[in-house]
Amino acid sequence: DGGITQSPKYLFRKEGQNVTLSCEQNLNHDAMYWYRQDPGQGLRLIYYSQIVNDFQKGDIAEGYSVSREKKESFPLTVTSAQKNPTAFYLCASSIQQTDQETQYFGPGTRLLVL
Amino acid sequence: GQQLNQSPQSMFIQEGEDVSMNCTSSSIFNTWLWYKQDPGEGPVLLIALYKAGELTSNGRLTAQFGITRKDSFLNISASIPSDVGIYFCAGRRGNTPLVFGKGTRLSVIA
Repeated sequence: DGGITQSPKYLFRKEGQNVTLSCEQNLNHDAMYWYRQDPGQGLRLIYYSQIVNDFQKGDIAEGYSVSREKKESFPLTVTSAQKNPTAFYLCASSIQQTDQETQYFGPGTRLLVL
Repeated sequence: GQQLNQSPQSMFIQEGEDVSMNCTSSSIFNTWLWYKQDPGEGPVLLIALYKAGELTSNGRLTAQFGITRKDSFLNISASIPSDVGIYFCAGRRGNTPLVFGKGTRLSVIA
C-alpha cells in the first residue's frame, strides 16, 4: 500500500527531554512537510524539505529540528527548547512543491508532555 | 505567516440540509485545496482546484475557485451524519508552501 506513515500514534515526553517523531512515505514524493495543530489554530508549518539533504524553516521552527537524509524519511525532533510541545503533529508530502501538486497527509502523532 | 480567512468557524445543521463555507485571502492563489479532518486523524484531500472560475464536484461536494483568485467555496448537498468533521481550505501561489485556513467545524444533527 502506498502512503504516509507516522509513528507512534501517541507519544509522551518528560520535561526537558528531546523526542523524535517518525514520518515515512513510499509515494516517491520529493517534498515533505511537518505541521503542528492546536485547537482552533489550524495547521502551522514547522519545517519543509523539497529535496534530500535540504530543508527550510516554516512559520514556527523554533524548538524543532529535522533531517532529510533519505527521500522517503523526514523525522522531526522536538527539543527541550520547545516550551509548549503538547500538540498534534502532522506530516505531509507532495510530488514537488509547485502550483499543480496536491499535498497528502499522514495520520498524525499526538505528543503529550508529562 | 499568512493565513486564510475561513468562515464560518462552526456550523450546526440538520441532516439533509445543504452546507456552504468559504475562504478568502488578500493574496492571489494559483491553487485551492479543500480537506476534511476526522477527530484524531490526518486531513484527507476532498477537492483540488487549479484554475480561476473552475467548478469541481466530488459526489455531494462541490468547490469553486473564485474568479478573483482570492477566494474559494465548498458546498455540501444533502448532509449526512458522516459529514461531521473539520473542513480546511488551503491555497498556494508558485513554489511556496500551502497556506491553511483555521477550519470550519461541521456538526450534523440527525
